[in-house]
Amino acid sequence: QKEVEQDPGPLSVPEGAIVSLNCTYSNSAFQYFMWYRQYSRKGPELLMYTYSSGNKEDGRFTAQVDKSSKYISLFIRDSQPSDSATYLCAMSVDYQLIWGAGTKLIIKP
Amino acid sequence: DTEVTQTPKHLVMGMTNKKSLKCEQHMGHRAMYWYKQKAKKPPELMFVYSYEKLSINESVPSRFSPECPNSSLLNLHLHALQPEDSALYLCASSQGQGVDQPQHFGDGTRLSIL
Repeated sequence: QKEVEQDPGPLSVPEGAIVSLNCTYSNSAFQYFMWYRQYSRKGPELLMYTYSSGNKEDGRFTAQVDKSSKYISLFIRDSQPSDSATYLCAMSVDYQLIWGAGTKLIIKP
Repeated sequence: DTEVTQTPKHLVMGMTNKKSLKCEQHMGHRAMYWYKQKAKKPPELMFVYSYEKLSINESVPSRFSPECPNSSLLNLHLHALQPEDSALYLCASSQGQGVDQPQHFGDGTRLSIL
């Protein structure tokens, strides 16, 4: 069993929909939780970064962490075609990043 | 535009060639990283330079060798690579190597081995 599980998709939704992306993890030692967005032929771009359980909002993006359930989510409101990308969750422990597989998201105009 | 700059963007080389990948950051970060990313996979850590100390992923073959000329530059020297080494090579940097320091990535060098 992988330490971080993430559905690779693809996840296809219509423009304007609310998108929910999720990761589950098994290691209670994970301390910080990140979401990266990666466009084709580009490097990962840090979107959200959080430590504690609860919600963190930045514009159309909300990151949610539930440490008791070992579950993190990224919500995208009013999704746009430009949000089409691969979204990777990552978690830090012992100076390393442990990555999910990445979810490919497609926003249909 | 990212604040971590990688050159070249693309590189095609034969298995007997020697080449170098370059990475530069101007954020004053003290930790820099090399990652390898295959298609539809997450990045895999190869090397970390943090406060002038090198940490190596022991699964990385010796045909890859990192060099850190100063705190803002990181090179990856390539020699006698194999076709399976074709991948996107990503450089990242962070303020320090602590678990609370997010990493910022460049756009990578796409490497093809003939």
